[in-house]
Amino acid sequence: RKEVEQDPGPFNVPEGATVAFNCTYSNSASQSFFWYRQDCRKEPKLLMSVYSSGNEDGRFTAQLNRASQYISLLIRDSKLSDSATYLCVVTAFSGSARQLTFGSGTQLTVLP
Amino acid sequence: GAVVSQHPSWVICKSGTSVKIECRSLDFQATTMFWYRQFPKQSLMLMATSNEGSKATYEQGVEKDKFLINHASLTLSTLTVTSAHPEDSSFYICSAAGQEGTEAFFGQGTRLTVV
Repeated sequence: RKEVEQDPGPFNVPEGATVAFNCTYSNSASQSFFWYRQDCRKEPKLLMSVYSSGNEDGRFTAQLNRASQYISLLIRDSKLSDSATYLCVVTAFSGSARQLTFGSGTQLTVLP
Repeated sequence: GAVVSQHPSWVICKSGTSVKIECRSLDFQATTMFWYRQFPKQSLMLMATSNEGSKATYEQGVEKDKFLINHASLTLSTLTVTSAHPEDSSFYICSAAGQEGTEAFFGQGTRLTVV
């Protein structure tokens, strides 16, 4: 089992739709959680951190469920510019070494 | 947000030569740096993790003698691809993280083409 698993995608949705991505992680000692966005042929960029209490940034809502070990990202009123690959990231410590584990990414295409 | 500068952004080299890629954190101290490789239409693949002042930890299947990583200071890490071959052509990205719990910031990536 992969340490971090994401919805395989791709997701093709019409403009204005609501879309949700899930990501599960296997390491119960994971400490920090993030969603990144990666545009084609570019580096990933932080979209938002994910907190246990859930957090919202405009049309984006992220949630963390530690008991079930998953995080989610909800995009409302999707725009053409939301088309990208979305990566969930989980951090943990192994001894004194920090691990940063990426999911394989979910590709989203918003259609006009 | 924090800035990570990666250089060069692209490089073309002859087979058998070595290429050095630099990754600098410009406005924070990067206690941990990560090096990734990404082939077209594939996900990021972690190559190695390095903590400042110590040897890098390589992922399974990544040759440490071929991909030399140096993290001598809190603001600079380098990846040297030695004796590069066409199959090493890829997009290499570094990521730097500071204190525990903070997110990682990415360099712009280096597109390596070995001919």
